[in-house]
Amino acid sequence: DAKTTQPNSMESNEEEPVHLPCNHSTISGTDYIHWYRQLPSQGPEYVIHGLTSNVNNRMASLAIAEDRKSSTLILHRATLRDAAVYYCILRDGRDDKIIFGKGTRLHILP
Amino acid sequence: ETGVTQTPRHLVMGMTNKKSLKCEQHLGHNAMYWYKQSAKKPLELMFVYNFKEQTENNSVPSRFSPECPNSSHLFLHLHTLQPEDSALYLCASCTGGGYDSPLHFGNGTRLTVT
Repeated sequence: DAKTTQPNSMESNEEEPVHLPCNHSTISGTDYIHWYRQLPSQGPEYVIHGLTSNVNNRMASLAIAEDRKSSTLILHRATLRDAAVYYCILRDGRDDKIIFGKGTRLHILP
Repeated sequence: ETGVTQTPRHLVMGMTNKKSLKCEQHLGHNAMYWYKQSAKKPLELMFVYNFKEQTENNSVPSRFSPECPNSSHLFLHLHTLQPEDSALYLCASCTGGGYDSPLHFGNGTRLTVT
């Protein structure tokens, strides 16, 4: 079973920031937090990952709670092309299983 | 272009047919994955290969048979499938063995079983 909990869907206005939450209360010390997104008719694509510290890249920012039991993916300025399903997963290097949950379907309103 | 190529993009097969799905990556990755994505369901992990050895079989029925001849190629052989096997089949790869190596996915094969 997936070890993360995300809202089923969210809406945001174009050109505004989007904060996508993820709960992972059973996270272990060896779990990295990864985010992927899946655009229509495509396979999932990697967005960002982190362990303890907040992370930034050209696509998004990842804010990780101090107790690591939750995280937030931040899209700084949403565009219509950001409409997708966003998956938050925990990646444990001790085995090869990478389990996806249902994700959050993000709708962007023009 | 994701670096992971899956062929064919679409496949229609009858329940008595035998067909194969192909996945190829030239990213230098050592781990390869098969996932199944049915309509309105999460991605389901099917198989994992690491350095050509199968390390995960997620209770997949024997009508699905994976093959990994080398670290760059992964096949999924299909025979006597059922209509409920219709789905998007996704291949992914990563460097393997690390906490933080991201998965690279192909765009999938859309399979319809009639």
